[in-house]
Amino acid sequence: GENVEQHPSTLSVQEGDSAVIKCTYSDSASNYFPWYKQELGKRPQLIIDIRSNVGEKKDQRIAVTLNKTAKHFSLHITETQPEDSAVYFCAASTGDMRFGAGTRLTVKP
Amino acid sequence: GAVVSQHPSRVICKSGTSVKIECRSLDFQATTMFWYRQFPKQSLMLMATSNEGSKATYEQGVEKDKFLINHASLTLSTLTVTSAHPEDSSFYICSAPDQKETQYFGPGTRLLVL
Repeated sequence: GENVEQHPSTLSVQEGDSAVIKCTYSDSASNYFPWYKQELGKRPQLIIDIRSNVGEKKDQRIAVTLNKTAKHFSLHITETQPEDSAVYFCAASTGDMRFGAGTRLTVKP
Repeated sequence: GAVVSQHPSRVICKSGTSVKIECRSLDFQATTMFWYRQFPKQSLMLMATSNEGSKATYEQGVEKDKFLINHASLTLSTLTVTSAHPEDSSFYICSAPDQKETQYFGPGTRLLVL
């Protein structure tokens, strides 16, 4: 089955800096790669996603890149703000979704 | 966007009792829904795939007789934790994909078994 690895597990950046979170997956059949932001005790919120026919997608300060050959995808957050602080999960899906272990991002003001 | 509701949001029960959690897609139909469990400071772990009109598909290590899933209609899936024990205490979240396969998560149910 699919196995998703996510790094780093924790990330601390200064406000205004960029943050990068990386994930790898094992199942070449995976074709959908969403990223979720989860605040404590709340449901995961989709922040951006990418499908296997696209290499990069950007939405304001957030971008995701996908390298299907290497089976890895990354989340890039630019101009980070304190409200970006949360746990971020990557996921890979062939229909049912598998999540990475999560990255706790802290943005220091 | 699409909305998925979950009920109850929080439940406390005694060991040995059964607890039913409902997951509803409010403005779209979902032939498939997913149930996850999340322990504190951990990731979401897929427990099972709920299929409307057929049996649920369970992930390895998840006891199907303990976690009963019923996909009663195109907008409702239920998860029943039978004979709950303290180790079943967790945050249970459902999700449902829309036609574009974007997953929408319910708000979650926090279960505490005493």
